[in-house]
Amino acid sequence: DTAVSQTPKYLVTQMGNDKSIKCEQNLGHDTMYWYKQDSKKFLKIMFSYNNKELIINETVPNRFSPKSPDKAHLNLHINSLELGDSAVYFCASSQGVLSSGNTIYFGEGSWLTVV
Amino acid sequence: GNSVTQMEGPVTLSEEAFLTINCTYTATGYPSLFWYVQYPGEGLQLLLKATKADDKGSNKGFEATYRKETTSFHLEKGSVQVSDSAVYFCALRDNTGTASKLTFGTGTRLQVTL
Repeated sequence: DTAVSQTPKYLVTQMGNDKSIKCEQNLGHDTMYWYKQDSKKFLKIMFSYNNKELIINETVPNRFSPKSPDKAHLNLHINSLELGDSAVYFCASSQGVLSSGNTIYFGEGSWLTVV
Repeated sequence: GNSVTQMEGPVTLSEEAFLTINCTYTATGYPSLFWYVQYPGEGLQLLLKATKADDKGSNKGFEATYRKETTSFHLEKGSVQVSDSAVYFCALRDNTGTASKLTFGTGTRLQVTL
């Protein structure tokens, strides 16, 4: 069973379109994240939710809107896609926010290409 | 702010060679430290972690020791295999803030040849 699963794995779309990437975790975790990996492999956090509440919101264009319908899901919606949005987007989850012992588990990534 | 610095890649080694990938960090308080690995076309997988000074994380023959005095968490393996070819990311989690997040290094690509 996949612990953190995200769909779609590959997405090619045109500039200006709106698209969503879905993420689900079956680990019973209460905290979920979205990370972006650019073409140079640099990974940076975008958002984090704890118990459906937004707790981390890095400097991200407001075209990106996360939505957490429940603790096990954190979807990423992107409006008016731009070429620079092409990247790999990783969903992740962990149990708890402050515990030093918890580990963040990642999904397999969603490869988004904007043409 | 927090930051992680990794050695520039790519690192190219012959099979059975000794591997070291350097990682140093800057953080407030006492962060937890991690190594993640990304195999070609796949997502990130946790390789090993250490949560306090002098802890040694180990997995699949890889190991790294949390050195607070040198703010380092170097990854080592005694004998690499072709299957170890991947991108390795050092990361830290600051445990003093109100929200937990990983700060990653830029990644080091390892290429192992026969």
